[in-house]
Amino acid sequence: QVQLVQSGAEVQKPGSSVKVSCKAAGGTFSTDTFSWLRQAPGQGLEWMGRIIPHLGLTRYTQKFQDRVTFTADTSTSTAYMELRSLRSEDTALYYCARHQTFQGGAAGMDVWGQGTMVIVS
Amino acid sequence: DIQMTQSPSSLSASVGDEVTITCRASQNISTYLNWYQQKPGKAPQFLIYAASSLRGGVPSRFTGSGSGTDFTLTISGLQPEDFATFFCQQCYTTPLTFGGGTRVEIK
Repeated sequence: QVQLVQSGAEVQKPGSSVKVSCKAAGGTFSTDTFSWLRQAPGQGLEWMGRIIPHLGLTRYTQKFQDRVTFTADTSTSTAYMELRSLRSEDTALYYCARHQTFQGGAAGMDVWGQGTMVIVS
Repeated sequence: DIQMTQSPSSLSASVGDEVTITCRASQNISTYLNWYQQKPGKAPQFLIYAASSLRGGVPSRFTGSGSGTDFTLTISGLQPEDFATFFCQQCYTTPLTFGGGTRVEIK
């Protein structure tokens, strides 16, 4: 059973960058698809984009595409999310999640990391 | 982007009650609709895919239905462990988008 373990909480100053890691234990990291999402305090879920490590393919939402980079190291089964030019509105819990696909094309996020709190202050 | 609208935003119910949560998409998404449950301080858990298919291990008291733009999640016989926030999510196209959530509280 795959588990996703994320790096610890971060406190960063406005204008700086943060890099969050997501290490997969078990599963087939290199062929899986991973999404990054965030959840501001007391708010809903916001999808930031996804990465397919073995293809090196990334997709970013328009909102984040100028400030975020997803990378992956298949040798350590670790995905990374770097967010730059941080502002107070970026204060949130950041999650990585693995995609599960089903016959017919449906897909959902079946395994989630524990979340990494990023505070911009 | 496809907008997902959930209602109500919160509800109060008692153990044993049946509750229904509604999710509406801003355009036709066929049955490309997922439901998640999130308990306080925890990551979301994936409950239902393709609008009505329960993932393994999800109790049968959870039922999803709908297609096109209108979907529902019904919990029949609410249990203490069901008090949480529920989110719908469309997987029809990127960007993936979520409803605002429905918080189910104990009456």
